[in-house]
Amino acid sequence: EVQLVESGGGLVQPGGSLRLSCAASGFTLSSHGMHWVRQAPGKGLVWVSTINSDGSSTYYADSVRGRFTISRDNAKNTLHLQLNSLRAEDTAVYYCTRDSVGTGIDYWGQGTLVTVSS
Amino acid sequence: QSVLTQPPSASGTPGQRVTISCSGSSSNIGSHTVNWYQQLPGTAPKLLIYGNNQRPSGVPDRFSGSKSGTSTSLAISGLQSEDEADYYCAAWDDSLNGVLFGGGTKLTVL
Repeated sequence: EVQLVESGGGLVQPGGSLRLSCAASGFTLSSHGMHWVRQAPGKGLVWVSTINSDGSSTYYADSVRGRFTISRDNAKNTLHLQLNSLRAEDTAVYYCTRDSVGTGIDYWGQGTLVTVSS
Repeated sequence: QSVLTQPPSASGTPGQRVTISCSGSSSNIGSHTVNWYQQLPGTAPKLLIYGNNQRPSGVPDRFSGSKSGTSTSLAISGLQSEDEADYYCAAWDDSLNGVLFGGGTKLTVL
């Protein structure tokens, strides 16, 4: 069974940092690209970042480029998102998602809540 | 384009057929396949339709997708109370170099 379990969310002050992690199981992580998608309270889904299967290529939404860094450790079956210089508008549930060739995003984690507030 | 365009709400009575539209442009829907996701209240989204019209195993055939040009739609037939959820379309966007989502449609079963 495919499982994606996020962790690392919490309350942080504006300008602060957090590191989100996603533990993957039930499939071979190194065979899949991965994405982070976020959802602000009461709002829709917004793509944040993508990393290809071997980590050699990364992509970011304009709103987070230069502040967030996506990475992966295929040996440890883990995906990460480093969030720096956080702003109030970064407050959201962050979902770890799996991409499959020919399918797109096919599995979602349960999400981890990041709250940026003083 | 920051989001694909969906109606914010839709509704129907049990047993009815409802359709949710999603429009985009040549850089997203016009060039790539579309997925649809269902998000039940308080839960993570779930893949409902991929490749414009393919259902993952376990998704009832009451759900169907179609695409024409830069527009796509999700149809739900035999509406049930458990279909009350938010529905999102999504496609890769060449300008964004990422996944572009629709704004979401809240489906109410009356």
